[in-house]
Amino acid sequence: KQEVTQIPAALSVPEGENLVLNCSFTDSAIYNLQWFRQDPGKGLTSLLLIQSSQREQTSGRLNASLDKSSGRSTLYIAASQPGDSATYLCAVPTGANSKLTFGKGITLSVRP
Amino acid sequence: GAGVSQSPSNKVTEKGKDVELRCDPISGHTALYWYRQRLGQGLEFLIYFQGNSAPDKSGLPSDRFSAERTGESVSTLTIQRTQQEDSAVYLCASSYIHGGTYEQYFGPGTRLTVT
Repeated sequence: KQEVTQIPAALSVPEGENLVLNCSFTDSAIYNLQWFRQDPGKGLTSLLLIQSSQREQTSGRLNASLDKSSGRSTLYIAASQPGDSATYLCAVPTGANSKLTFGKGITLSVRP
Repeated sequence: GAGVSQSPSNKVTEKGKDVELRCDPISGHTALYWYRQRLGQGLEFLIYFQGNSAPDKSGLPSDRFSAERTGESVSTLTIQRTQQEDSAVYLCASSYIHGGTYEQYFGPGTRLTVT
């Protein structure tokens, strides 16, 4: 059974800091890995999707890497801003085009 | 283009009543998923539709929960005889296969409160 872990559960950093959010998964036979952002009381916004054949994906100040063999992914946020404050979740599908297994998320607070 | 929409955005119901939650996926998306997020817990998978059929219903917590999808479009999640533990945000997502990408796009969710 796939399990996804995100540690720590919460993180507080000063504005401008570069930071790394970690995600680990137990079954390395994944098709892809997706990072989401969730603002309080809102749904999920997809940030990046990395296919299993890729090592990393970039979007603006965000960079996500994937190491399937070690069961790890990281989300790098450059020059963090207060607007980046949210909960960040990673998720992997079980089988092709199938249900996502989520981590419990990391709640990020960026202090002005 | 339009994203995934869900209605209602909020629903308060009394214990024992039935509720229906609606999801409108992105046009052309053949796959549709329902998830649940209870307070302080992670997202739980409920059910997956491919077209109008549901090959994976393994996440439905009890027989009080059911879902259907018509015309490869709208889906309805029905909860009968609601209980307080059903209080949660119910999220719908859709996806399509495009060059090997299986990205899921989520709606804003329906917040269900059972009193």
